[in-house]
Parts: sequence; structure tokens; C-alpha cells
Amino acid sequence: QVQLQESGPGLVKPSQTLSLTCTVSGGSISSSGYYWSWIRQHPGKGLEWIGYIYYSGSTYYNPSLKSRVTISVDTSKNQFSLKLSSVTAADTAVYYCARRGVVAATFDYWGQGTLVTVSS
Amino acid sequence: QSALTQPASVSGSPGQSITISCTGTSSDVGTYNLVSWYQHHPGKAPKLMIFEGSKRPSGVSNRFSGSKSDNTASLTISGLQAEDEADYFCCSYAGSSTLVFGGGTKLTVL
Repeated sequence: QVQLQESGPGLVKPSQTLSLTCTVSGGSISSSGYYWSWIRQHPGKGLEWIGYIYYSGSTYYNPSLKSRVTISVDTSKNQFSLKLSSVTAADTAVYYCARRGVVAATFDYWGQGTLVTVSS
Repeated sequence: QSALTQPASVSGSPGQSITISCTGTSSDVGTYNLVSWYQHHPGKAPKLMIFEGSKRPSGVSNRFSGSKSDNTASLTISGLQAEDEADYFCCSYAGSSTLVFGGGTKLTVL
């Protein structure tokens, strides 16, 4: 059973960079066909896809966030990470990591999410 | 790339059926049969309920079904049970390796 767990600071100051890591257990992040994703949910709002990465390093980002987002992968640690730069209060959200299955738009495993608050 | 449109809330009594709609555009739902649905109990990890519009992952009850007509996908839950009370989100492929989610629907079992 694949499990994902987000980790990182719960509080980030405005203009700084938000950094989160997702640790994958129960399966290899290098498994063929799977993409490792970040998704967020603003308080009381719907989900927003941030982007995903293939174990080879290929990345795909939401066009609306692309200029501020970097997703990277560390296959030796079975982890992938999110960096979101120049954050504002509008980036306050619960951040989820998830595995996108072989089929596009299909997230078959999710972390429980971590709340990141942007505030001075 | 706009969010897919879902009703904010729906409700039904135990045993009844409800349908949640997810309206997109010809650039996403209308073009691709790649809509998925997720059940989300607050504080827990979202759970995949439907993928590719109408397919159920192993272990998901056959009370959950999905369909699509033009730019609107739908999730139907039959034989409502108390444990079905949750938030439900849709997601669609939107081309060029991008995705879009819906705003979410809160299901209340009366």
C-alpha cells in the first residue's frame, strides 16, 4: 500500500519561499508511469492542481503558478519536493501530495495534507 | 484555465440517490473522457471514487457511478448511507499535461 506524507513548515512569512517535502513509502517513486503531484486547497475552497513530476525529472506545472513553482525529486530518498516563491496570504492553504496514476487526471494515493499559513 | 463548476451542496435521505454535476468546457470535460471524482472527509486524505469518467477503482462500492454528457460530468450515489456524507471533488484533464479541479460539493445525508 503506497503512502504519502507531507512535511515542512506550517508558517511562512510573506515574500519568502514555501518549501514542502513528500515522502513516499510502500512503493518506489521511480515506478514507471506514475507522476508525483502537489495539489492545494484554500480555506473553504476547491482543490487547485499545482503541478507534478516524473521520476526522470520532467515537470508539468499549472500555468497560473508556473513562474513561482519548482517541483523536484530525490529518488534516493523516495521523496519529492515543492518550492513556491514570493508567497502572499493568498498562498495560505492545505497542501497535498498525491500520486497521479498511469491514467491522466487520476490521483490514486494522497497524503493527508499539511496546512501552510502565510503570515508575518 | 477556470475551475470546473460544481454545486456547493446537495443533500439526500438515507436510501435515496443523488447526483453531483461537474461542468467544464469544450477544452476539458467536453473533449477528454478523463474525469475523476474524489470523496474527501475533512482531515483525511481524499479518496479516488471514479476515474476515466465512469470506472470504479477496486474496493469502491458500486453505489457510486459516473457519467458524462457534453461538457458536464456527473457522479451519482445510490442507496445513500450516512458514511457517504463528505465533500466531493471532480477533476478533468485539460490538455497540454494540465489538470483542473472543481470547486467541491458538500453532501449532507439527512
